[in-house]
Amino acid sequence: ETGVTQSPTHLIKTRGQQVTLRCSSQSGHNTVSWYQQALGQGPQFIFQYYREEENGRGNFPPRFSGLQFPNYSSELNVNALELDDSALYLCASILKGGNTEAFFGQGTRLTVV
Amino acid sequence: QQQVKQSPQSLIVQKGGISIINCAYENTAFDYFPWYQQFPGKGPALLIAIRPDVSEKKEGRFTISFNKSAKQFSLHIMDSQPGDSATYFCAASKIPTSGSRLTFGEGTQLTVNP
Repeated sequence: ETGVTQSPTHLIKTRGQQVTLRCSSQSGHNTVSWYQQALGQGPQFIFQYYREEENGRGNFPPRFSGLQFPNYSSELNVNALELDDSALYLCASILKGGNTEAFFGQGTRLTVV
Repeated sequence: QQQVKQSPQSLIVQKGGISIINCAYENTAFDYFPWYQQFPGKGPALLIAIRPDVSEKKEGRFTISFNKSAKQFSLHIMDSQPGDSATYFCAASKIPTSGSRLTFGEGTQLTVNP
């Protein structure tokens, strides 16, 4: 096990709604990244948080936002859901100190109908 | 913007055979090249990774070959087993001191027949 836990595992939302996905990392993992993985594709980088501040963002609109908390948990929020937001959302945490290995959670499968 | 291209999209190998998956990258600033294995319903798990200062890295049955001048790297799975059946992703990143932002390939679905 990676020590990275995501909740919920599955979620169904209606177009236009808002959703919050959660991730709990291992103690000491002060960097967390979120990825979107569409069916049959590789994960796409959404953004990264380091010490509770966003410090890198991929090609995603502002309706994708996040938070990181001092207890090594984090959230991904998506507003005004669109059908194309249906995907597996993955969080990955990285050990403090620049360790290069990213530990992924099992993901949250979001379906927008 | 596809910065890491992966092939083939799918691969079928007989048990005991060699599985080879190839990736090519564009950004010469990348300095970390991991391979991830993903089973259905699970997140990607790091399999093996290489830095550009070496041309090959081997861990058990898994070997990465790296060609910096061609901007290509590949994963070789020796003595492939049915339990290796999964989706494999190559990735690349530029490592700052505080973490990494991975650019993934599109994945290769490997099936190892018994």
